[in-house]
Amino acid sequence: QVTLRESGPALVKPTQTLTLTCTFSGFSLSLNTSGMFVTWIRQPPGKALEWLALIDWDDDKFYSTSLKNRLSISKDTSENQVVLTMTNMDPVDTATYYCARGYRYYDFWIDPWGQGTLVTVSS
Amino acid sequence: DIVMTQTPLSSPVTLGQPASISCRSSQSLVHSDGNTYLSWLQQRPGQPPRLLIYKISNRFSGVPDRFSGSGAGTDFTLKINRVEAEDVGVYYCMQAVQFPYTFGQGTKLEIK
Repeated sequence: QVTLRESGPALVKPTQTLTLTCTFSGFSLSLNTSGMFVTWIRQPPGKALEWLALIDWDDDKFYSTSLKNRLSISKDTSENQVVLTMTNMDPVDTATYYCARGYRYYDFWIDPWGQGTLVTVSS
Repeated sequence: DIVMTQTPLSSPVTLGQPASISCRSSQSLVHSDGNTYLSWLQQRPGQPPRLLIYKISNRFSGVPDRFSGSGAGTDFTLKINRVEAEDVGVYYCMQAVQFPYTFGQGTKLEIK
């Protein structure tokens, strides 16, 4: 059974750096799982989904155009974790942050998603 | 970035009746590998999103066959044959033909 769980602070202050960890089980994100990826997506309260970043099995990384200067994604294969950092947090970054697994080699699907973690940015 | 536009944004439906949601992309979603990377996701109230349809028309594992997807190029449709109470929620289309991936604004399906 594949599961993902997001963890991190529930509250951050403006200008601080947010670090979120996605801990997963039931699959691997290593060189012998070609096509696999983990991605981060966020959702402000009552609003639509916004794609943030993705890291592939071979450590390729991709970012949102509008946020790429503030985001960094990395993986720890031995710990089955993917970490997302976002610098210079602002109240507009208040959202539920989800991580999800996917596959994108001559195919594309994204499942399952974690339950999400709500991050509030406020002083 | 590819812009995904969904219509309608809200869809009141009678139980047992069909529902249809449209999604239009600002450019073709046909990849150089020949596949079209358009997905549909469902988000029930208080839940994370869940994949329903991938590559236009492929139902994901466990998705009821009352859900179907169609379309090509830049115009796509999600249809629900006979709406059930558990179908209430917000539906999103998503493109994965190029980075950055993008979502539609979401369509809220509610029961009349």
